[in-house]
Amino acid sequence: KAGVTQTPRYLIKTRGQQVTLSCSPISGHRSVSWYQQTPGQGLQFLFEYFSETQRNKGNFPGRFSGRQFSNSRSEMNVSTLELGDSALYLCASSYTSGGAYEQYFGPGTRLTVT
Amino acid sequence: AQKITQTQPGMFVQEKEAVTLDCTYDTSDQSYGLFWYKQPSSGEMIFLIYQGSYDEQNATEGRYSLNFQKARKSANLVISASQLGDSAMYFCAMRELSGSARQLTFGSGTQLTVLP
Repeated sequence: KAGVTQTPRYLIKTRGQQVTLSCSPISGHRSVSWYQQTPGQGLQFLFEYFSETQRNKGNFPGRFSGRQFSNSRSEMNVSTLELGDSALYLCASSYTSGGAYEQYFGPGTRLTVT
Repeated sequence: AQKITQTQPGMFVQEKEAVTLDCTYDTSDQSYGLFWYKQPSSGEMIFLIYQGSYDEQNATEGRYSLNFQKARKSANLVISASQLGDSAMYFCAMRELSGSARQLTFGSGTQLTVLP
C-alpha cells in the first residue's frame, strides 16, 4: 500500500506570494491533518479535514486555509506569505477522525519564503 | 489544555546500549493516547509506539517500549540495543480522545545520537 505523498517536496517563494501544497492520503483514509514545523515553534496543528469537511482548526491566521476533495486528497493554501511561514509542512492521514494511533505522516513540503 | 514536555534536547548513547527518552504530559482528560514518533533528517515522521490511558500494560513494539506511569504523568520511550540508524529526532505526542480536539500535541523533541 502506498504511503502518504506530498507535493512539492521543496518550494521557494517570495514574501507576499501565495502557495498551494498538496497531500494525497493512504488509499482508504478519509482524514487528513496538516502540521507546521519550525525550529522556534516546533510542531503545530493547522487543521484537519474529514470527508471534505474541516473538523478542527489550530491557532493560525486566516491566511492559512485548506480543503479536501472527494477522493480525500487535500490541499492547503497560504496567502500573502511572510518570512515566518518558512517551515516544514507535514500532512498526516488516518482512516477515521480521531484515530490517532493510525495517523501516518508524509515526507513533508519544505517551504522557504525569501 | 494538553501539554507535552521533553526535557532532554539531546542525548547520546553507545551502539547496542539501551536509552530512555523522557516525556511528561499534562491533561485534565481521563481518556487520551500517547505516541512516540521518530523524525530522521529526511523530515518524515515515523510512528513508533502508542499507549492508551486505559491500557494496563506498557506498550512494546520490537526494540521500542513505552514506560507508562499514569500517576506521574510520564510516558518515557525506551530503545533497547541501539543501532546507528536510530540517530534521529524523537517526539512525544498526545491526543485527548474524549473531547472535540482531535489533533496531536507534540513535545519539543529529543535529538538522539547513537555513537559507534
